[in-house]
Amino acid sequence: QQQVKQSPQSLIVQKGGISIINCAYENTAFDYFPWYQQFPGKGPALLIAIRPDVSEKKEGRFTISFNKSAKQFSLHIMDSQPGDSATYFCAATWSGSARQLTFGSGTQLTVLP
Amino acid sequence: NAGVTQTPKFQVLKTGQSMTLQCAQDMNHEYMSWYRQDPGMGLRLIHYSVGAGITDQGEVPNGYNVSRSTTEDFPLRLLSAAPSQTSVYFCASSRDRGSSYNEQFFGPGTRLTVL
Repeated sequence: QQQVKQSPQSLIVQKGGISIINCAYENTAFDYFPWYQQFPGKGPALLIAIRPDVSEKKEGRFTISFNKSAKQFSLHIMDSQPGDSATYFCAATWSGSARQLTFGSGTQLTVLP
Repeated sequence: NAGVTQTPKFQVLKTGQSMTLQCAQDMNHEYMSWYRQDPGMGLRLIHYSVGAGITDQGEVPNGYNVSRSTTEDFPLRLLSAAPSQTSVYFCASSRDRGSSYNEQFFGPGTRLTVL
């Protein structure tokens, strides 16, 4: 049972372009939505996160857009750089789950120079 | 601080063998967890612990055991390895559970192959 669906599975973007990764969730109890970034051979690391009481959160070139009614959220990477090439995971959690993270399936982003 | 450390980095087992994956953190975090990462599946929670002496099952607990005798250590035991347990295993920790979310810090992973 996949509670968080992520797309696309892979994404190739030219340097300077915009990368967009989408996620959809089913459990309306989720109340925190982090994105994790993982480089090859490393563990995931928190990139940015949002709560459902706001529709957008921006940190530098990274923006999360959140649509509570549609139960969807997305990560936008502006001015994508080759150093952004990594696997990105969306996730969701809620207080009743002992703050367990439910992850999406991941998106492998390649930014071409 | 070393953060979250995992050993070994790589391991090859034969079907039926047992082994323990080690995880330690030096951040005095209460919450620790084990995930497995498989292609196209994301990270799936195996077991987690909200404090010393307390453990619980995650999404995919079968074939794995855990214990939490200290705050720092959270070993994962494979009782009788099967090829389906070939995966990359990540340990993670966070400050505590509760009503607010606390960032989970992940270790570097253990790549396990079961022949």
